[in-house]
Amino acid sequence: AQSVTQLDSHVSVSEGTPVLLRCNYSSSYSPSLFWYVQHPNKGLQLLLKYTSAATLVKGINGFEAEFKKSETSFHLTKPSAHMSDAAEYFCVVTRRGAQKLVFGQGTRLTINP
Amino acid sequence: GAGVSQSPSNKVTEKGKDVELRCDPISGHTALYWYRQSLGQGLEFLIYFQGNSAPDKSGLPSDRFSAERTGGSVSTLTIQRTQQEDSAVYLCASSLDVAGARNEQFFGPGTRLTVL
Repeated sequence: AQSVTQLDSHVSVSEGTPVLLRCNYSSSYSPSLFWYVQHPNKGLQLLLKYTSAATLVKGINGFEAEFKKSETSFHLTKPSAHMSDAAEYFCVVTRRGAQKLVFGQGTRLTINP
Repeated sequence: GAGVSQSPSNKVTEKGKDVELRCDPISGHTALYWYRQSLGQGLEFLIYFQGNSAPDKSGLPSDRFSAERTGGSVSTLTIQRTQQEDSAVYLCASSLDVAGARNEQFFGPGTRLTVL
């Protein structure tokens, strides 16, 4: 079985400062890991994904995440926050090649001017 | 090209009534998924279709929920005898395939269901 824990329900940062959204996963199998973003009244959009290649994954809009097997973590980072980054972020795990996505509870990111 | 579309965008119904939610996947995508997003439960998998294979219904919360996919394209999620706890946003997603690099799921905007 797979599960994912997002360690913060809400993160608030100032514009131009770094962003860190934390995610820990549990998986009985080799996992595929994703980060999705959901802007208000918009659909979920894939930010980045890890399947089995490089452990440092680069995504859209300057976001990246590092797969750390020893720590069972897949934290999302961005060097400099922008106002448009304000949204809900979901860490997602699935078994490689499987269909069902298992979502974390989400982290709401607020950007202060 | 067009993304995943869902209709209606909002649905308000009375307790006990049946509702149908529609999903049009991206053309050519063989896999289709339904998820539910609610305040108390977060995002949950409901059901998955892949080609002509039997659907994976393991996420459906009760026998009041059913879904079908006609002609390998459009899907309808039906909720019978709706209850207030069914109030949620129902999300549909599709993917080109289920294996390897082509299993990225593209999500629709969702249908917000409110049961009074």
